[in-house]
Amino acid sequence: LAKTTQPISMDSYEGQEVNITCSHNNIATNDYITWYQQFPSQGPRFIIQGYKTKVTNEVASLFIPADRKSSTLSLPRVSLSDTAVYYCLVVSGSGNTPLVFGKGTRLSVIA
Amino acid sequence: NAGVMQNPRHLVRRRGQEARLRCSPMKGHSHVYWYRQLPEEGLKFMVYLQKENIIDESGMPKERFSAEFPKEGPSILRIQQVVRGDSAAYFCASSNRAANKGYGYTFGSGTRLTVV
Repeated sequence: LAKTTQPISMDSYEGQEVNITCSHNNIATNDYITWYQQFPSQGPRFIIQGYKTKVTNEVASLFIPADRKSSTLSLPRVSLSDTAVYYCLVVSGSGNTPLVFGKGTRLSVIA
Repeated sequence: NAGVMQNPRHLVRRRGQEARLRCSPMKGHSHVYWYRQLPEEGLKFMVYLQKENIIDESGMPKERFSAEFPKEGPSILRIQQVVRGDSAAYFCASSNRAANKGYGYTFGSGTRLTVV
């Protein structure tokens, strides 16, 4: 599976939009881009997934350019409770395969 | 649906003792995955099991670690003769037959193992 690279940490003030970009240069044709969120002392939680273009749900938006070599997770108007580690994963679409996590991006939201 | 249940939440063991970590998957899920997380690190895959079968154990240390998922009961991750380097958070995830592409996995809250 393609290796992912994302910033180690980011800071933001409450109410701002946060964009976390992930690069995955070696993504394969049947791979999907998936983002997970992890709060302290909890297991990761699925946020959003996409293949190409834009995906939006009640939590976030995911932007994927045509070449799919990168993706951007967008969190609108963050609050203190969005402080967490965000993981970008490339996942095979061909079946049950273990998720591979990197170090993620530690987002700190400041009042 | 209680989600993925892991117990105990916290486990303290002395060096040389055995640690047994339990994971009950979500109802209807037959695939279980174990991960280990060191402080300030991402989760590292250890083992993938289906009922009574080990599918992928490429992330398991060759010695002292074993996992099972019996026909009845929870999945068990067993660490024999624990050492201080085994101190970490151990997470279990489950998925159903149709889960793929990364969105069908549900994680438990983990077991924090401390070896003293």
